Amino acid sequence: DAKTTQPPSMDCAEGRAANLPCNHSTISGNEYVYWYRQIHSQGPQYIIHGLKNNETNEMASLIITEDRKSSTLILPHATLRDTAVYYCIVRVSSGGYQKVTFGTGTKLQVIP
Amino acid sequence: DTGVSQDPRHKITKRGQNVTFRCDPISEHNRLYWYRQTLGQGPEFLTYFQNEAQLEKSRLLSDRFSAERPKGSFSTLEIQRTEQGDSAMYLCASSLGWGPGQETQYFGPGTRLLVL
Repeated sequence: DAKTTQPPSMDCAEGRAANLPCNHSTISGNEYVYWYRQIHSQGPQYIIHGLKNNETNEMASLIITEDRKSSTLILPHATLRDTAVYYCIVRVSSGGYQKVTFGTGTKLQVIP
Repeated sequence: DTGVSQDPRHKITKRGQNVTFRCDPISEHNRLYWYRQTLGQGPEFLTYFQNEAQLEKSRLLSDRFSAERPKGSFSTLEIQRTEQGDSAMYLCASSLGWGPGQETQYFGPGTRLLVL
């Protein structure tokens, strides 16, 4: 799986959009970008994933650059409950090798 | 709620004792994964099952660790002769199968182990 690079920490004002960047410059054509988050002392929570196109669901939006070397997770209206560590992961969807490699993520602090 | 469940949520044990953790995946999910997470680090892959078959094991999974998924449903992770370095959060995840849309892993709440 390709390596990802994320800033170690970010702050965001409550009610504002939180934009979390991720670099994955060595991503391969068949690797998806996944985002998870982990609220303190809980298991990771799946947020969203995508391959080439931008994706949106009830939790967030995922913007992937045209060259696929970076992406941004957008939480449109951050709340205090969005304070968590956010992990960006790239992995192959092949049916075989299934390991997911987490880095250290970005610690997002939402400020009142 | 029919998410991944893990039991117990917390375990304190003395060094040298054996411990066993249980994971119940989301119903009809064929794949089940175990991860370990230490403080300040992301989860690290330990092993995974396709139905009852254990298909991959990390080198992190020493001989003291054993995982089973006897009927392709729930799974157990046993640690024998625990050491203080085994103190961590043990996470279980499951996914439906493979192919786009089916490989997303859903995690349980984890079992926090403290070895004294």
